[in-house]
Amino acid sequence: RKEVEQDPGPFNVPEGATVAFNCTYSNSASQSFFWYRQDCRKEPKLLMSVYSSGNEDGRFTAQLNRASQYISLLIRDSKLSDSATYLCVVNTGISSGSARQLTFGSGTQLTVLP
Amino acid sequence: NAGVTQTPKFRVLKTGQSMTLLCAQDMNHEYMYWYRQDPGMGLRLIHYSVGEGTTAKGEVPDGYNVSRLKKQNFLLGLESAAPSQTSVYFCASSYPGDKRPQHFGDGTRLSIL
Repeated sequence: RKEVEQDPGPFNVPEGATVAFNCTYSNSASQSFFWYRQDCRKEPKLLMSVYSSGNEDGRFTAQLNRASQYISLLIRDSKLSDSATYLCVVNTGISSGSARQLTFGSGTQLTVLP
Repeated sequence: NAGVTQTPKFRVLKTGQSMTLLCAQDMNHEYMYWYRQDPGMGLRLIHYSVGEGTTAKGEVPDGYNVSRLKKQNFLLGLESAAPSQTSVYFCASSYPGDKRPQHFGDGTRLSIL
């Protein structure tokens, strides 16, 4: 089983739609969780961190379910510019003070259609 | 605002050749990382560094070496390139701390023939 698993998609949605991605992780000791966005042939960029209580940033909402070991990302009112690959990232971290070793999911591809 | 800069952007090598990829960051980050990204797979950590003069192995270190002689630079070397090392290589850097994001360079596309 992969440490971080995502549905690869692709998700093709019309503009204005709401779309949700899920991600599961295998290491119950994981401490930090993130969603990154990667445009085609570009570098990954941090979209948002995921906090235990859930957090929202504009049209984006991230949630964490530690008991079931999954993370979700909800995008409301999709824009054409949201088309990208969304990477679920988990810190399977070693110990305090050590470099964070992030494990990346293989990504979920989203295309927002006009 | 350069951030993380990788050179070269593209390179084609023959099997057995060696080369060095350079990563430079101007954000005074302590930590630096080298990843590779292959189709259908997530980014995989090759090596990382928690400070000048220190390096450590990541998930897929075989066939690569690294050096961090200066805080702002992190070099990735391929000793004897193999076709299996054809990939996109990303460098990243970050401050210490669990919640700090990693900032990525725009990648090096490497093909080994």
